[in-house]
Amino acid sequence: ELKVEQNPLFLSMQEGKNYTIYCNYSTTSDRLYWYRQDPGKSLESLFVLLSNGAVKQEGRLMASLDTKARLSTLHITAAVHDLSATYFCAVAEIQGAQKLVFGQGTRLTINP
Amino acid sequence: IAGITQAPTSQILAAGRRMTLRCTQDMRHNAMYWYRQDLGLGLRLIHYSNTAGTTGKGEVPDGYSVSRANTDDFPLTLASAVPSQTSVYFCASSPLSGGTYNEQFFGPGTRLTVL
Repeated sequence: ELKVEQNPLFLSMQEGKNYTIYCNYSTTSDRLYWYRQDPGKSLESLFVLLSNGAVKQEGRLMASLDTKARLSTLHITAAVHDLSATYFCAVAEIQGAQKLVFGQGTRLTINP
Repeated sequence: IAGITQAPTSQILAAGRRMTLRCTQDMRHNAMYWYRQDLGLGLRLIHYSNTAGTTGKGEVPDGYSVSRANTDDFPLTLASAVPSQTSVYFCASSPLSGGTYNEQFFGPGTRLTVL
């Protein structure tokens, strides 16, 4: 059974600082997704990572995937208040219906 | 505007009542999904459908049923609501065809409160 764990679950940081959110998963997969959710809103797709060593960057966010370690990271560079949100990783089951299993989410608060 | 719509936006429901949450997509995606989101638990899959006419159970299917009569619609029914079904429900869809990322796109959500 595929399990996905994120850490930390809560993160409060100052503007201008760097930090990393970690996503570990328990069984082999070939696809990992990062989503952002603002309070009371739906989920917005950020990144799709398809292969070992994949790195995607958008603005101050960079995501990477290490399939051997079953680990993805979401790195925030020089954080700004607008990045405050909850971030979810989701991992695709490699067999069958290819359903997604989500992590618990990381609630990120960036203080001025 | 292409995308996924859900109705209602929110609902307060008495325990024991029947309720259907509606989901419609206009992207001609093959696969559709229903999730519930509860604080601290992330999103959990309730039911899914890979194509019209087929459905499957997710992680937390008990107390819920779905149907997929056509490509666009995927309603979720609570036959007899209980307070533990109080949650935010998200519908999603994905292309689920060869060579795609199978990225899932989410609807705006339905906030359901069962009293």
